[in-house]
Amino acid sequence: DTEVTQTPKHLVMGMTNKKSLKCEQHMGHRAMYWYKQKAKKPPELMFVYSYEKLSINESVPSRFSPECPNSSLLNLHLHALQPEDSALYLCASKPGGGGANVLTFGAGSRLTVL
Amino acid sequence: AQSVTQPDIHITVSEGASLELRCNYSYGATPYLFWYVQSPGQGLQLLLKYFSGDTLVQGIKGFEAEFKRSQSSFNLRKPSVHWSDAAEYFCAVGPDSGYSTLTFGKGTMLLVSP
Repeated sequence: DTEVTQTPKHLVMGMTNKKSLKCEQHMGHRAMYWYKQKAKKPPELMFVYSYEKLSINESVPSRFSPECPNSSLLNLHLHALQPEDSALYLCASKPGGGGANVLTFGAGSRLTVL
Repeated sequence: AQSVTQPDIHITVSEGASLELRCNYSYGATPYLFWYVQSPGQGLQLLLKYFSGDTLVQGIKGFEAEFKRSQSSFNLRKPSVHWSDAAEYFCAVGPDSGYSTLTFGKGTMLLVSP
């Protein structure tokens, strides 16, 4: 299995809703990433987990809450989002530790906030 | 600070013609360079990477890229473009390892005309 699987593919939510994005990989990778990508822009790093611990938080607003319950799973909990948070959210992974910086990306979750 | 410049926002190429996408980088140490491709609504797929050694690297889907240290460039080429190559292409630079983020260029949208 050489894939990063993201669910749901599409999510529409209101500003008062609570929802979650899910990312799963079974490649044995120990580093997992969340990126945010607005239309016509490159991906922007949000969070990095290494060995299930948060190692990088790029000053992301607290309405985004990441969680890494185990080495295969990464969640992004969403609460009280704003319309400007509408974007494609990409998950990525790589072999952990000091491994080469070659990321495997998922297909993304397209989020629309109304 | 590291940066990546992709000077062309859009490029249109006729099917069967050759392609070159430009990428210039600024990086304080030995750069590790990547080209990713993104089809509409999809995640990023790694086309090729350069870490060291031969400066001409081969990738998937018939793509190649040449690292030129003197010009701080890592241009992507393909001898004959297919309609399925129409996509957004991102050049990225980063460390060889660790969790520091990759720095992406703003992307070049490739359009293929019949």
